[in-house]
Formats: sequence, C-alpha cells, structure tokens
Amino acid sequence: GPKVLQIPSHQIIDMGQMVTLNCDPVSNHLYFYWYKQILGQQMEFLVNFYNGKVMEKSKLFKDQFSVERPDGSYFTLKIQPTALEDSAVYFCASSLAGALAEQFFGPGTRLTVL
Amino acid sequence: SQWGEENLQALSIQEGEDVTMNCSYKTYTTVVHWYRQDSGRGPALIILIRSNEREKRSGRLRATLDTSSQSSSLSITAAQCEDTAVYFCATDEGGLSGKLTFGEGTQVTVIS
Repeated sequence: GPKVLQIPSHQIIDMGQMVTLNCDPVSNHLYFYWYKQILGQQMEFLVNFYNGKVMEKSKLFKDQFSVERPDGSYFTLKIQPTALEDSAVYFCASSLAGALAEQFFGPGTRLTVL
Repeated sequence: SQWGEENLQALSIQEGEDVTMNCSYKTYTTVVHWYRQDSGRGPALIILIRSNEREKRSGRLRATLDTSSQSSSLSITAAQCEDTAVYFCATDEGGLSGKLTFGEGTQVTVIS
C-alpha cells in the first residue's frame, strides 16, 4: 500500500539546538499532518498543512515549531530551539482529502533532547 | 479530555479467543477510525466507521458505533498471534482539516 517515509528514524540533540524532521508523504496526497507521541501515552495532534498553509494547530504546536513543504519536496517539522519536553516520537501522516479520509502514517522519528 | 478513563487497557488472550475493546468519546464525531500500531511502527488504519453506520466488518474485525452513547467497540474474532498490537480509536470532528483525536489505546497480546 501507499507508504509515508520519515527521515531520520532517530535523532539525539542537545537542548537549545535546532532540529528538522523530514517526511516524504504519499505522492498524490494533499493533506499533511504531524502528531506527537510520548512513550506510553496517546498520540496527539500537532498540526496539519494543506495548499502551502497551516490549517489547524494544537496548543502543543509551540512558537518554536514550524512546518513547510517547499516545492513539493519533504514535508518538514522544524523545532528551534528544542526543549527537554520535546523528546517524543513524531509521526507524519498524509491523506488525499481532509475530513473523513484515511490518514497514512510514517514509522515515526524518535527525538531525544538531552 | 476527549476520552473516558476506561480507554486505557492491556488485554492478554489465548490464540483462537475473541476480544473486544471499547472507547467512548465526549464530543461530536462524524467518523471513528480504528488503527493498530505494531511496535516501532506508525499506526495503520484497520476500520473506519461513519456516524450513519452502526456496524462495520472487515475479515475477522467488527466495529460498532453508538452515537447516542458516544461509544465505539472493536472486536477481533479468533485472535491470532499476529493480532498482537496496540489498538487505538480516533475521532474526526468533520472539520476540513481532518484532525484526528486519539484515545489512549489498548495493548492486545495474543498468546499461542
């Protein structure tokens, strides 16, 4: 089936540094999402993106977070600067439509902030 | 929280048994997604049940939705070892964004 890829699978950085998480969504999908999952807890919505713009973001999507997808390349989540509480697994997802559509998830990027 | 406290579960069953997991939600939803997540991987959709459906089947899986009680269930018939995973329900309020709100999940372990 359709696959979403995420690079890297693991990232370890020092607090205060910048990090960029990359997502290669399903090729014909139009909607893109980031979710955050802290170990042992439920997955939580961060942000979604359509037509070059953020459609909706949660309170977890702090000012230090930003997303973009320049020229149809990777859909990226940038955190600058990082904080200890940003340690989590970040999942990217994409879908063909917004509401009521199946979202295809990548395998996640495990981010550890020291 | 979107979800009731009963959603956090861990179930261990024998191969061949049936298992049912439940979730309840507090706000309106147009659809309930059921995902499974294998260790180290992202969630994968297994059943999507819309608000105008009471039941949906897919192979050994059966999902129900009761919008009056705002609850949904997922049943696995004759569980197999490969059914071992975490199962999540997620709601979609139907806004244009497609934002999903996930429950806490149920760890199902099938023992041979």
